[in-house]
Amino acid sequence: GAVVSQHPSRVICKSGTSVKIECRSLDFQATTMFWYRQFPKQSLMLMATSNEGSKATYEQGVEKDKFLINHASLTLSTLTVTSAHPEDSSFYICSAHAFGQGGTYEQYFGPGTRLTVT
Amino acid sequence: GQQLNQSPQSMFIQEGEDVSMNCTSSSIFNTWLWYKQDPGEGPVLLIALYKAGELTSNGRLTAQFGITRKDSFLNISASIPSDVGIYFCAGPSGGSNYKLTFGKGTLLTVNP
Repeated sequence: GAVVSQHPSRVICKSGTSVKIECRSLDFQATTMFWYRQFPKQSLMLMATSNEGSKATYEQGVEKDKFLINHASLTLSTLTVTSAHPEDSSFYICSAHAFGQGGTYEQYFGPGTRLTVT
Repeated sequence: GQQLNQSPQSMFIQEGEDVSMNCTSSSIFNTWLWYKQDPGEGPVLLIALYKAGELTSNGRLTAQFGITRKDSFLNISASIPSDVGIYFCAGPSGGSNYKLTFGKGTLLTVNP
C-alpha cells in the first residue's frame, strides 16, 4: 500500500510559539491531502483539505490564520500551528488521497504527530 | 451532513473469539473503508469496498458492503491480542474533494 510519513512524531513547544508539521507521500503523488485532529478516545476531526498549488479548504470552525497549510508539491503538505496555546495540544494526523486500481478511491494516513503546548 | 453510526462502541472479548462490528448510514455510500488505529498511531487501511454486496477478506478480516449501500460490517475471526485497537468505518462525504466521513469507532480489547 501507499506510504505516508509525518515529521515530527512528537513535539513539545511553549505557549506562543509556532510549530510546523510535515506530511509526505513517499511512494505516490498526492494532489489532495487532509489534516485531521484527534482528541483522546474520539474519532478523527477533519480540519482542512490541502490541494497542491492552491489554497487549503478549511472546515467550519477551524481558524485558517492559526492553522496554516501549504501544499507546495505533489508529495509534501505542511501544517503550521501559529501562536500555539495549551488547548492546541492534540494528536494531528495527515492523510493523502490516492487512486487504487481501476480508479477506486483510497486514503492513506500518516503515523500522526503528538503536539504538547506548555 | 452525512453521518455514520458505528456499533458497538466497545467490545471486550477473549482471545480466539470472533468479532463483528457494523456501520450504518442514512444516506447511500459508494465506497466503504475500514481502518484500524493502534494507540498513538495513524489509522491503517484494512479493507476497501466498492460494490454493493461485495464481500472482501484480508487474512482473518472479512468486510461486506451492504446491498442497500447504507451499511457495512467487519468481522474478525479467531481474535488475537494484537487485534486490540480502534476500528473505524469511513466513506466519501460526496463532492469532488475526496473528503471522508468517519464513524465514531469501535474499541476492541482482547483478553489473552
